[in-house]
Amino acid sequence: DTAVSQTPKYLVTQMGNDKSIKCEQNLGHDTMYWYKQDSKKFLKIMFSYNNKELIINETVPNRFSPKSPDKAHLNLHINSLELGDSAVYFCASSQGFEGYGYTFGSGTRLTVV
Amino acid sequence: AQKVTQAQTEISVVEKEDVTLDCVYETRDTTYYLFWYKQPPSGELVFLIRRNSFDEQNEISGRYSWNFQKSTSSFNFTITASQVVDSAVYFCALSEPPGTSYGKLTFGQGTILTVHP
Repeated sequence: DTAVSQTPKYLVTQMGNDKSIKCEQNLGHDTMYWYKQDSKKFLKIMFSYNNKELIINETVPNRFSPKSPDKAHLNLHINSLELGDSAVYFCASSQGFEGYGYTFGSGTRLTVV
Repeated sequence: AQKVTQAQTEISVVEKEDVTLDCVYETRDTTYYLFWYKQPPSGELVFLIRRNSFDEQNEISGRYSWNFQKSTSSFNFTITASQVVDSAVYFCALSEPPGTSYGKLTFGQGTILTVHP
C-alpha cells in the first residue's frame, strides 16, 4: 500500500497547456504539501493545506492552483504551462505541523516542451 | 528566516569508508525540528530521521548515525562502512515552530554521495 501516491509519474506537455497532478495519502494525516524540485535538485515548498484549508502559499505564480477536496487528497492544477515549470513536483503529508510522519510521494516529473 | 547549508556539494568515497555529511542551520527559534532525507537515483525522497531541538542525544541506526550539536547549529550525518547502495543525494531540512512554519520544510542544497565499489 503506497502511503502517498501521485499521478502521473511522468508528464510531458506543450507550452500553453493546462495540466493537473493528483495526490492521495492513506496515512490519515491532516496536513498535505506540494514541493517543487528544480533542475539543480533544490527543493522548495509551494503550498500546504491543513484539514482542507490553505495555510501556506509561497511566492508561486497564480497559474498554479492547489485544490484539496478532502484531507486525503491534494491536487495541483497548472494553467498556461511555461518552459520554466519543468521540474519534479513532490506531494507530502504529515500529522500536524511538528513534522510527525512527514512522508513524500514518489514525485511527478513534468517536462514542458 | 531559517536557512540550511550543506557545504559539501559532492562527496566520493570507496566502499567501506566512513563518510560524514555536514549540515548547518540558522534559526531564531528555540523550538524546531531537523530532518534528513535520502534521494536515490530512482528519485523518491526517503525519510531517515526527525529530531526536535530539545533532544540533543546522538542517534545510531545500523550504519547510520547523527550528531546534533546546538552550540554549533549542526546536525551531521555519518554513514559507517559505506556501500554502493548508499549512493544518493542526501538532504538536510529544518522546520520551525508549528505556529509559524505550519510544517514547512526548508531544505539544504543537498549532498551528492557516490560510493565506488
